[in-house]
Amino acid sequence: KQEVTQIPAALSVPEGENLVLNCSFTDSAIYNLQWFRQDPGKGLTSLLLIQSSQREQTSGRLNASLDKSSGRSTLYIAASQPGDSATYLCAVSTGANSKLTFGKGITLSVRP
Amino acid sequence: GAVVSQHPSWVICKSGTSVKIECRSLDFQATTMFWYRQFPKQSLMLMATSNEGSKATYEQGVEKDKFLINHASLTLSTLTVTSAHPEDSSFYICSAISGSRQETQYFGPGTRLLVL
Repeated sequence: KQEVTQIPAALSVPEGENLVLNCSFTDSAIYNLQWFRQDPGKGLTSLLLIQSSQREQTSGRLNASLDKSSGRSTLYIAASQPGDSATYLCAVSTGANSKLTFGKGITLSVRP
Repeated sequence: GAVVSQHPSWVICKSGTSVKIECRSLDFQATTMFWYRQFPKQSLMLMATSNEGSKATYEQGVEKDKFLINHASLTLSTLTVTSAHPEDSSFYICSAISGSRQETQYFGPGTRLLVL
């Protein structure tokens, strides 16, 4: 059974800091990995999707890396801003139409 | 980008009543829709997978007679929580996969259910 772990559960940083959010998964036989953002009481916004054959994806100030063999992914946020405050969820899938297995998320607070 | 809506966004009901939640793909046809549940400070847990025109596939531990799922068209799936109890209070989120872009799940904004 696939398990996704995100540690720590919460993180508080000052504005402008570069930061790394970690995600680990137990079964390396994944199809892809996604990072999502969730604001309080809201749905999910997809940030980055990495195919199992890829090593990283970039979008603006965000960079996600994937090391499938070790079961790890990181989300790098450059020059953090208060607007980045949210919960960041990592999820893996085992196929194109298959379900996502989510971690519990990391709640990020960026202090002005 | 693809948009998924949910209705209602929140609902409060009395214990024992049934509640229907709608999930719609607004600008694409969704061959597959997923229903997730999220308790406070917990991850999203998949409840069931529904494919248009066929019966939903439920995850282990999810009662299919309690959580009725209907995926009658390529743009609409409904989740009905029957005889709701306070422990059913949760955040319910649906997602949809486009037939043309099967790798990406597009999520709805969620429905918060409070059962008194």
